[in-house]
This record gives sequence, structure tokens and C-alpha cells, in this order.
Amino acid sequence: GAVVSQHPSWVICKSGTSVKIECRSLDFQATTMFWYRQFPKQSLMLMATSNEGSKATYEQGVEKDKFLINHASLTLSTLTVTSAHPEDSSFYICSALRTEYQPQHFGDGTRLSIL
Amino acid sequence: DAKTTQPTSMDCAEGRAANLPCNHSTISGNEYVYWYRQIHSQGPQYIIHGLKNNETNEMASLIITEDRKSSTLILPHATLRDTAVYYCIVNAGGTSYGKLTFGQGTILTVHP
Repeated sequence: GAVVSQHPSWVICKSGTSVKIECRSLDFQATTMFWYRQFPKQSLMLMATSNEGSKATYEQGVEKDKFLINHASLTLSTLTVTSAHPEDSSFYICSALRTEYQPQHFGDGTRLSIL
Repeated sequence: DAKTTQPTSMDCAEGRAANLPCNHSTISGNEYVYWYRQIHSQGPQYIIHGLKNNETNEMASLIITEDRKSSTLILPHATLRDTAVYYCIVNAGGTSYGKLTFGQGTILTVHP
């Protein structure tokens, strides 16, 4: 089946630093990639939609200057959490979509802890 | 996208079939029904999806009622590793395609 790789799986860093998370589709070209966030005991919430070569589309309430998304190729999207603070601590999950009406495939997530 | 309603939790004995219901009474004609599951501390795993017809793959079967207002995910022989949160999601194409709205899902516990 389709594989989406996410790296790193776990990161701990100090408040004020920036953290980059990579999402790669390993065996298919993804027309679109998505970034989700999940807080403890809550469901996944979509943060942004990323299309290769164009600017990401952010959901309401998500700060685009804080969560920078770059989609440089059809197999790679990155999420950078800039000037991270403890309230940004969460489980960040990416997904990749090959074509419309096909199922998304998710990475295993990145657990971000800001001290 | 149409909203879905699922039971909060369900139990199932190992080796028995697990039948997980989902109501989507406001589903539109172009919306697919997708099922994903999330095992603790992992990303969601795609299980199956369908539009009108019943579907089966190596993981599960999806039964969609004729009026499409509800569906049932069937895990034919549940194992302990099937313990997870199961999400039923409806999604259409067009500008909203791929934007999955995750509800609270059903916590399925498979016990020995």
C-alpha cells in the first residue's frame, strides 16, 4: 500500500526555536498534501492544504506566519513551526493524496514538545 | 461535507465480527464514505471507502444502505490489534476534496 513517511517522529525543543517537520510520499506523486494537528484526547484538526508549487491554504484560525508550509515537489512537503511555544506542543500529522476521490494516506505523525 | 454520527465506544470479542455503524443522513449524491482508524500514537490508517455499492478489501467490508444515509464497517474476524478509534468520514470532490473532517469516532476495544 501507499506509504507516507514523516520525520522526525518525536522532537523536544526549547521555547522560541523553530522546528521543521518533513512529509514524504514514498511510492506515489501526491497532488496535494495536508497537515493536521491533534491535541491529547481530541480528534484530528485540519491545519492547511498544500499543493506542489503553490501557496498553502490555511484553515480558519491557523496562523500562516507561524506554521510555514513548503511543498517543493510532488513527494515532499515541510511544515515549519516558527518561534514555537509550549501551547504549540501537539501531535502533527501529514497526509498525501494522489488524485481526487482516492483515499488519503497518512504519515505516522510527529510529537512536538516545547519546553 | 455531511456530518456523521458514530457510537462513542464498542466492544468485540476476539475472533468475532465487529460491526461499526455510522449515520450520515445528510450525505450528498457526490460524497464518498471513507473509513479510517487510528491506533494510539499513530497516524490514521485508511481502511476502505465507497460511494453507493458495498465494498470489500483485505481489511474490511463496507455496507452502505440503499438510501446512503448510513453505513456499516465490518471487520470479519477482529483481533486484539484491531483495537483503535474508527472514523467514518464523508467527503466530496471539488474544492473541498481531501479536507477530511474527523469527528470523535468510535473507540473499538477487542478483548480476548
